[in-house]
Amino acid sequence: AQTVTQSQPEMSVQEAETVTLSCTYDTSESDYYLFWYKQPPSRQMILVIRQEAYKQQNATENRFSVNFQKAAKSFSLKISDSQLGDAAMYFCAYRYNAGNMLTFGGGTRLMVKP
Amino acid sequence: DAGVIQSPRHEVTEMGQEVTLRCKPISGHDYLFWYRQTMMRGLELLIYFNNNVPIDDSGMPEDRFSAKMPNASFSTLKIQPSEPRDSAVYFCASSFWRGANVLTFGAGSRLTVL
Repeated sequence: AQTVTQSQPEMSVQEAETVTLSCTYDTSESDYYLFWYKQPPSRQMILVIRQEAYKQQNATENRFSVNFQKAAKSFSLKISDSQLGDAAMYFCAYRYNAGNMLTFGGGTRLMVKP
Repeated sequence: DAGVIQSPRHEVTEMGQEVTLRCKPISGHDYLFWYRQTMMRGLELLIYFNNNVPIDDSGMPEDRFSAKMPNASFSTLKIQPSEPRDSAVYFCASSFWRGANVLTFGAGSRLTVL
């Protein structure tokens, strides 16, 4: 069974600084998909970024980028120029393919200090 | 598209009562997922459907929980009888197999069982 681990329950960052959230996963598959979701206090789950395992290039979405290390089964999220609105729970997630469920890590609570 | 629509947003009920949560997926999506979120257990999959057919219900905690998808635009999650330990946020999500394997989540239904 696939597992996703987020080892940092809480992180804090100063506004405008950069922060990296860690995620590791376990799978025996070679093709799969990885995601970071953001959950603000409104509790809405919002997709931040996704990565296809067959792509070597790290995904980037504006201030958000990932460091995908397939051999190490590591998938970290880097947030640059942190903003107050980035404060939220962040969940790393794994999906084998379209026919399967999304498996979540335990989440990291990010606090942004003004 | 209005996104995934869930109702009610909040439900407070007494132990022993029947609870029905509702979900309308994004039109054209052929996968529908029900997740439960608690502080203790995080985000856990309860059940998911493909083309209205239940594929995996191994996450349904016990016989008190049941889910149906009578058509492509509607699903229900029912708890009967409800217990205080069922208090949680219940999320519905949908996805399209040809898409980017992204699950789009509803806003969630917060259930409190007294």
